[in-house]
Amino acid sequence: EIVMTQSPATLSVSPGERATLSCRASQSVSTFLAWYQQKPGQAPRLLIYGASTRATGIPARFSGSGSGTEFTLTISSLQSEDFAVYYCQQYNDWPPYTFGQGTKLEIK
Amino acid sequence: EVQLVESGGGLVQPGGSLRLSCAASGFPFSNYWMSWVRQAPGKGLEWVANIEQDGSKKNYVDSVKGRFTISRDNAKNSLYLQMNSLRAEDTAVYYCARQSRDGYNYPYYFDLWGQGTLVTVSS
Repeated sequence: EIVMTQSPATLSVSPGERATLSCRASQSVSTFLAWYQQKPGQAPRLLIYGASTRATGIPARFSGSGSGTEFTLTISSLQSEDFAVYYCQQYNDWPPYTFGQGTKLEIK
Repeated sequence: EVQLVESGGGLVQPGGSLRLSCAASGFPFSNYWMSWVRQAPGKGLEWVANIEQDGSKKNYVDSVKGRFTISRDNAKNSLYLQMNSLRAEDTAVYYCARQSRDGYNYPYYFDLWGQGTLVTVSS
């Protein structure tokens, strides 16, 4: 099973600033990596797939990068609606599909 | 409207059974792999099971093998999860999720999610 590790667990950033979230895989997943956003009481929403492709309707301030075992989600200029929990997920080697434990992005 | 709507959650005693349903609308349900993903209270996401378009292939996370069964009825645009021998650690919100796929029908990420249904296993 591929273990996904996200860091940091909590990230405090001011609105308008840049946020950088990291995700590491225990073995290479190539670019078979997705990012999701989850707000309290809501279902997750797909943000990024293929490590760097934005899903339909996702603003350009969200960008993904990386390959192999190291990945990054960057939010260029934080808006109030961006404060949420973010999860990475690998789909290179399954079952099982595996998620990171999440990074909570909070307002500083 | 493209959506997934789960139902069937509730309170059940340890060792009991429950059947979850997911109604799909607004897209060709029979064209997609479908999954169940769960989230324990205050915890992260855990993939539970998935099923191929015609129901011929099914996969499960080890912790539910032999206890949970995923199925679908394409005529009713519905996905199901039969949960038997429930344990306290199965307590979670259960999400139905559609999977995107490639040209070889290899299922990928989860591009559409339902709102979830809460299952509580407790005496």
